Amino acid sequence: AQKITQTQPGMFVQEKEAVTLDCTYDTSDQSYGLFWYKQPSSGEMIFLIYQGSYDEQNATEGRYSLNFQKARKSANLVISASQLGDSAMYFCAMREGRLGNQGGKLIFGQGTELSVKP
Amino acid sequence: DSGVTQTPKHLITATGQRVTLRCSPRSGDLSVYWYQQSLDQGLQFLIHYYNGEERAKGNILERFSAQQFPDLHSELNLSSLELGDSALYFCASSGGTGLHQPQHFGDGTRLSIL
Repeated sequence: AQKITQTQPGMFVQEKEAVTLDCTYDTSDQSYGLFWYKQPSSGEMIFLIYQGSYDEQNATEGRYSLNFQKARKSANLVISASQLGDSAMYFCAMREGRLGNQGGKLIFGQGTELSVKP
Repeated sequence: DSGVTQTPKHLITATGQRVTLRCSPRSGDLSVYWYQQSLDQGLQFLIHYYNGEERAKGNILERFSAQQFPDLHSELNLSSLELGDSALYFCASSGGTGLHQPQHFGDGTRLSIL
């Protein structure tokens, strides 16, 4: 069964430093998509970045990049030059290629709470 | 602003009651997904509609039902509410069901059962 694991319940980072949030996944599909979302304390879910299983390049979006290691089944989020506004919960999610009766649902990890220190 | 609108933002009600949560997807998005976020279960997929048709069901209780209307807005109906139904309910939309298409989430409806 598909599964997402985020092993870091909480992390601290100093402002302006880079931080890596870990995500490993398990799927038997060859075709899948990986997503990262940010949930600030206000509660909304904000889409950050996407990586497809067939993408050869690591995805980047501004200060966010995804360190995709397919053989290890890991999709770690790297945030460069952390800002105070980056303090939030971060969720890794996966979507499998085969639809069938699964639709296009996302499977989420348990999240990592990031705190940025001034 | 994701472009997905959920109403109401907060809902407080009692056990045994019924509520309706409403979602308007982003303009042009045909897919609507409902998720439940609770402290013990995390984020769980409930149901997916595409252009008015149910596409997939997740761990959705029989007391819960949903539909997507011709104008593509969706409603999630929760009945015979129990304390354990207290959670943050999200609606998300996407242009289709392609792998590469991110789901854009609304701000959620926080449901509190007293």
